[in-house]
Order: sequence, then C-alpha cells, then structure tokens
Amino acid sequence: GAVVSQHPSRVICKSGTSVKIECRSLDFQATTMFWYRQFPKQSLMLMATSNEGSKATYEQGVEKDKFLINHASLTLSTLTVTSAHPEDSSFYICSARKTVSYEQYFGPGTRLTVT
Amino acid sequence: GDSVTQMEGPVTLSEEAFLTINCTYTATGYPSLFWYVQYPGEGLQLLLKATKADDKGSNKGFEATYRKETTSFHLEKGSVQVSDSAVYFCALSKGGAGGTSYGKLTFGQGTILTVHP
Repeated sequence: GAVVSQHPSRVICKSGTSVKIECRSLDFQATTMFWYRQFPKQSLMLMATSNEGSKATYEQGVEKDKFLINHASLTLSTLTVTSAHPEDSSFYICSARKTVSYEQYFGPGTRLTVT
Repeated sequence: GDSVTQMEGPVTLSEEAFLTINCTYTATGYPSLFWYVQYPGEGLQLLLKATKADDKGSNKGFEATYRKETTSFHLEKGSVQVSDSAVYFCALSKGGAGGTSYGKLTFGQGTILTVHP
C-alpha cells in the first residue's frame, strides 16, 4: 500500500480559535508532504510544501503565520489554522511523497467549518 | 505560470458508453502529466501518468496519450461502468530531482463523471 490518513475528517470551530489537522503516512516514509485547499467545485490549490526537519515553503498568497505547518517526523505533518475565520472554511487535503519517488499519495481530506 | 484546463462537467453517461474527458495544459519545459481519480469520500488516487511526449498511460481500461504538439492529455475509456463514477483530475508536475518543491502538482478543475446503469 501507500496509505495516507488525515485527522480529523471533519471539524467545526468557532471564529477566532485555532484548529490542527494531522497528516500521516501509515506505511512509508515521506520526506516531503504537500498541503492543498479545495473549494467547492474547484480544483485543488497547493498551499505549501512541507519538508521534514525544515521550514515549509508557502505558495504565493498563502499567509504563513495563519497556516502553520510542522513536519517533525518522516510520517507526520500538521497544519494549524490559527485565528480561524469563516472564509477559512474549506476542504484541506494533504499528500505525501515517498522519499525516493515523485509520486504523491493523498489523504482523504479534512472538512473545516468555521462558524 | 503553469496551468491545466479540463472540460467542464458534469458528464453523465450510460453504462458501456465511450468516455472522453479533455485536458490541455500550458507549461514551459517538459512536464509530466497525470490523471487522478477521487471516489466519493476518498482521497485522490493516481489513475495513470505519462512522463514524455507520445507516451501513453493506461490503467483499468483508461488511457491517455501525451501530445506535445497539441499540449493535450485527454482521458478515454471504451466502455464505462457504474463504478467509474467519480471526480477526475488532470494534473502536471515539474521540477528537478532534489528540489524542495520537486513533484509539485498543478491541477485542473476536476470533472465529475456519473455513470447510470
């Protein structure tokens, strides 16, 4: 296999609070993980590239202080949405790239709703 | 910048019908091209890929040929099944080995396919 999990699958939080989303590669090591955002009926937009043991690389227009990414081990990356607002409501998807491969394996996604 | 354009959906077909989902791309250099499929409630799965011009990717009866002259990578299947109902994404990837963003994917907007019995 090449299984990637995300937790939680759904989360509802109040405006102004922070929420953490975990992405785990269950049966392989991933030096690099990617975080995407998917709006309804739209494509996936890459937010940032997460490399184990170093700072994440953010795409243009993505606020790094708002979307904190930590990749502390070869099997875990976390995305923390800080001071969430309703406009942050979206479907967040992570992917993990095997250390020696260019193929990405995707998690099932996390639905975030900010009220 | 790089971009991928897919035909708009949704696409609705009867079982055993022929499927084509168009995909064109804009990119400098020589990207790798991919089709991903997302079944309801699941993550994206790689369906097929092609890494150079004239390559044909195939899997589960689906095929797509990398056409550099028309910058296209259209997805086809001769006879669809109800189980093929899903969202299909065309994507490209660029970047050299070892770069921190190696393998970064640019996606099309996705095409919803519904197959009726």
